[in-house]
Amino acid sequence: DGGITQSPKYLFRKEGQNVTLSCEQNLNHDAMYWYRQDPGQGLRLIYYSQIVNDFQKGDIAEGYSVSREKKESFPLTVTSAQKNPTAFYLCASGNYRGLQPQHFGDGTRLSIL
Amino acid sequence: QKEVEQDPGPLSVPEGAIVSLNCTYSNSAFQYFMWYRQYSRKGPELLMYTYSSGNKEDGRFTAQVDKSSKYISLFIRDSQPSDSATYLCAMSAGGTSYGKLTFGQGTILTVHP
Repeated sequence: DGGITQSPKYLFRKEGQNVTLSCEQNLNHDAMYWYRQDPGQGLRLIYYSQIVNDFQKGDIAEGYSVSREKKESFPLTVTSAQKNPTAFYLCASGNYRGLQPQHFGDGTRLSIL
Repeated sequence: QKEVEQDPGPLSVPEGAIVSLNCTYSNSAFQYFMWYRQYSRKGPELLMYTYSSGNKEDGRFTAQVDKSSKYISLFIRDSQPSDSATYLCAMSAGGTSYGKLTFGQGTILTVHP
């Protein structure tokens, strides 16, 4: 079955540590997205990528970095510069022109130790 | 003012009730409208996707879009306990917006047996 796989489901970060969240899709979608979800809030866009080797900042990119070396993969690194990283992180993929709706993975919950 | 405002709820209804979930938006460039359902600790699941004013029906779900009033709704008929979840509206301008979605903050729905 086609879908989006995020790993790990739960992740803990120590002070000063960078952590990387994995996102893989087998839907053959061009575009991939990373969102952050905080309690009582909608999803906020961190980074997005329309094609391999290209990506753009979303609304809350500070303290995060991404790469897009393969069409299927879009890992997100939460750096030590992100001072409030505790949140639910969601990866999505879709058609880059928005002509098809985005599909989401089941998320990674990141907490601070 | 946020681009997308969603009735915050929470909403609690008895089984079999008709549920109405609503969002308003301010950006007239939005062309594509989605409703997602999100269960606890899971990623959002696409329920409805539409790009024109009017009604779209799928089983017990009806999505309504009124572009002139910048208002969208999701109606759930014969609600079931399994419908208990957070419902998110989302919209996109398409085209050069590269499929970026803007979300409402979500409405928590509980359907009591």
